[in-house]
Amino acid sequence: KQEVTQIPAALSVPEGENLVLNCSFTDSAIYNLQWFRQDPGKGLTSLLLIQSSQREQTSGRLNASLDKSSGRSTLYIAASQPGDSATYLCAVPWTSGSRLTFGEGTQLTVNP
Amino acid sequence: EPEVTQTPSHQVTQMGQEVILRCVPISNHLYFYWYRQILGQKVEFLVSFYNNEISEKSEIFDDQFSVERPDGSNFTLKIRSTKLEDSAMYFCASSEWGAGAPYEQYFGPGTRLTVT
Repeated sequence: KQEVTQIPAALSVPEGENLVLNCSFTDSAIYNLQWFRQDPGKGLTSLLLIQSSQREQTSGRLNASLDKSSGRSTLYIAASQPGDSATYLCAVPWTSGSRLTFGEGTQLTVNP
Repeated sequence: EPEVTQTPSHQVTQMGQEVILRCVPISNHLYFYWYRQILGQKVEFLVSFYNNEISEKSEIFDDQFSVERPDGSNFTLKIRSTKLEDSAMYFCASSEWGAGAPYEQYFGPGTRLTVT
């Protein structure tokens, strides 16, 4: 059974800092990996998707890496802003179209 | 930009009542999903639906739950007899299908279900 873990559970940083969020998964047989953002009481916004054959994916100030063999992904946020404050979730499916298994999330606070 | 929509945004119901949560997936998507998130807990998968049938379901999705695609645009989740522990945020999601498709799942804003 796939288990997804995210470290740290919470992170508080000053504005402008670069930061790394970690995601690990127990079963390396994944189809892809998605990073989401969730604001309090709101839905999930897809930030990045990395295919299992890819090592890295970038969108603006966000960069996600994937090391499938070691069961790890990182989300790098450059030059953090207060508007980045949210919970960040990673999730993996085992095959195309299958269920996503989610981590618990990292709650990020960026202080002005 | 196309998005998944859900109605209602908040539903309050009494224990034992039936509720229907509605979703309109992105129009060219063929895979549909329901997830839920109990307050303070992980997002949990309930069910996926493809080609007019359930393709996968979790142990949470018991006989009290059902899904339907009543027409070409809506996707619904019915809870037959609600329990207090069904109180949660329910998310609908959809993804593309096809060779080379990334199967990225796009989520709606959620329906907050409160069972009293």
